[in-house]
Amino acid sequence: GAGVSQTPSNKVTEKGKYVELRCDPISGHTALYWYRQSLGQGPEFLIYFQGTGAADDSGLPNDRFFAVRPEGSVSTLKIQRTERGDSAVYLCASSRQGGTQYNEQFFGPGTRLTVL
Amino acid sequence: GNSVTQMEGPVTLSEEAFLTINCTYTATGYPSLFWYVQYPGEGLQLLLKATKADDKGSNKGFEATYRKETTSFHLEKGSVQVSDSAVYFCALSLYNNNDMRFGAGTRLTVKP
Repeated sequence: GAGVSQTPSNKVTEKGKYVELRCDPISGHTALYWYRQSLGQGPEFLIYFQGTGAADDSGLPNDRFFAVRPEGSVSTLKIQRTERGDSAVYLCASSRQGGTQYNEQFFGPGTRLTVL
Repeated sequence: GNSVTQMEGPVTLSEEAFLTINCTYTATGYPSLFWYVQYPGEGLQLLLKATKADDKGSNKGFEATYRKETTSFHLEKGSVQVSDSAVYFCALSLYNNNDMRFGAGTRLTVKP
């Protein structure tokens, strides 16, 4: 497809469960970003990948959150032992390259996670 | 820290009215500034950007000027349309910082 895609679009889970959220970036984009958007707030940075490596994971709130990008394309955000406070829309973005603020980030439609 | 503060909404205007959405920033260094728009049911889209002081970003009739002296990047449009109804986010990014810092968003509703 032409844009960033994310699956699933909605995920409902129970407190304490494990979830995986997937992001397919635009083909050829080397940089990939994860954000979290809580209700009524702007997106909040979680982690940035340049290629396969996590170049900046300073936004991950705690060690229950982890993300991988093993082949430098698709990325998976993993949340262990989910809590109700993890409920939010998780956004993925990609850009042609990272390391500079000049590269436009293209956002996916997001995954709405609800933890009951 | 680096942050963005934008005008709280919601904002409701009649078609063809003038729009201003205020945005101010705090940053160590010289950020690039952005306005993103989120239409109902869609993902965030870049609306316009400015990378240095006094630059003016423009797109689809929207404009914003990077004002270093007032640390502002206010969004304006001379005549809004119903199709402009959306949530608008101001954001900044610093060189070598790969995270965008977003404001809380301003919901705009334009009535016919």
